[in-house]
Amino acid sequence: QAHLVESGGGVVQSGESLRLSCATSGFTFSNSGMHWVRQAPGKGLEWVAFIRYDSTSQNYADSVKGRFTISRDNSVSTVFLQMTSLRSEDTAMYYCAKGRGLFFDPWGQGILVAVSS
Amino acid sequence: DIQMTQSPSSVSASVGDSVTFTCQASQDIGTWLGWYQQKPGKAPELLIYSASTLRSGVPSRFSGSGSGTYFTLTISSLQPDDFATYYCQQADTFPLTFGGGTKVEI
Repeated sequence: QAHLVESGGGVVQSGESLRLSCATSGFTFSNSGMHWVRQAPGKGLEWVAFIRYDSTSQNYADSVKGRFTISRDNSVSTVFLQMTSLRSEDTAMYYCAKGRGLFFDPWGQGILVAVSS
Repeated sequence: DIQMTQSPSSVSASVGDSVTFTCQASQDIGTWLGWYQQKPGKAPELLIYSASTLRSGVPSRFSGSGSGTYFTLTISSLQPDDFATYYCQQADTFPLTFGGGTKVEI
């Protein structure tokens, strides 16, 4: 079955950059749209970004537009999230998720990003 | 942006109870509505998509209904494993948005 594993999180200072990776297996990655969703500590879920299976289209939440970039490498079944100009409000658990259309299924286990000011 | 409003924010229930909670969209989303279950410290899992389609492997005690702007999730005969937080999500329009969640507590 589908398996997703995030990596690249950690603690950074405000204004710095970080690149998250999500390695996948168990499904045809090159046919699947992919998402990033985040959850601030003790808060609800916030969709962050989506990339089409062929990278021809990306969509972003307003809160990250212009600062975050989603990309993918179908040759290694991996999706990325490049995060720049990080702010304290970006502190969250970041999940990658396979798109079932514009639903999320399944999800990775998540990776923590903490931005200190 | 489409706002998703869930109610109640929390509900107390017992094993064996039937519970229903609601999700309202700020505009018509047809049946582009999903429900997710999240347990503490775990990633969310999709339970229902397209308002009423049960994801494979999800127990039949979960059911969803609704269209347009009003949706419900019902859990019949609550099991100990069902105590969790449930989120709705609209898949009609970018940006994709979630409701604030309903926590099911003992």
